[in-house]
Amino acid sequence: EPEVTQTPSHQVTQMGQEVILRCVPISNHLYFYWYRQILGQKVEFLVSFYNNEISEKSEIFDDQFSVERPDGSNFTLKIRSTKLEDSAMYFCASSAEGRYNSPLHFGNGTRLTVT
Amino acid sequence: AQSVSQHNHHVILSEAASLELGCNYSYGGTVNLFWYVQYPGQHLQLLLKYFSGDPLVKGIKGFEAEFIKSKFSFNLRKPSVQWSDTAEYFCAVITYNTDKLIFGTGTRLQVFP
Repeated sequence: EPEVTQTPSHQVTQMGQEVILRCVPISNHLYFYWYRQILGQKVEFLVSFYNNEISEKSEIFDDQFSVERPDGSNFTLKIRSTKLEDSAMYFCASSAEGRYNSPLHFGNGTRLTVT
Repeated sequence: AQSVSQHNHHVILSEAASLELGCNYSYGGTVNLFWYVQYPGQHLQLLLKYFSGDPLVKGIKGFEAEFIKSKFSFNLRKPSVQWSDTAEYFCAVITYNTDKLIFGTGTRLQVFP
């Protein structure tokens, strides 16, 4: 079964540094997402992306965050200047039809630790 | 704002016991409902989903869930759990006009042989 893959599995960075989290969605999927889970809290929506632009974002997704699909396979989340509170598990997801119509397939996540 | 509540945070069962995990959501309109499972060290996997039709939906590994619209509930059930069901279970909801999947806090299930 095709999978969403995320790299790295664990990223440690210092406060103020930029990080890029990478994801390879399922190849025929058109909708891409980032979610995060702070330890002990709910999985939270960050952003959705379709047709090379953001289709929806949450209040968490401020100017420090950006997403990009630099080529036909990768989908990245960039945090420009990390803060301690950005420490979380970040999940990438993709879906075939988006929105209401098809379930999300998640990657294994990247654990980001900001020190 | 929409929200999802999972009232059982940690459930401990013996093998062969029956399981029911509660999930309630707050939204008055049309929703799609999901249960995801996360086995230790693995990604979130879809267990089952409800889009429309029969409110009793069957998923993988013998799980089922019942959508009761009047109670805004989508409880997960399994008649006889196995040790391999040890995992975290997340209920999630998406409403018609959004991309945002809203998760509950999750229920950690431990099954002892």
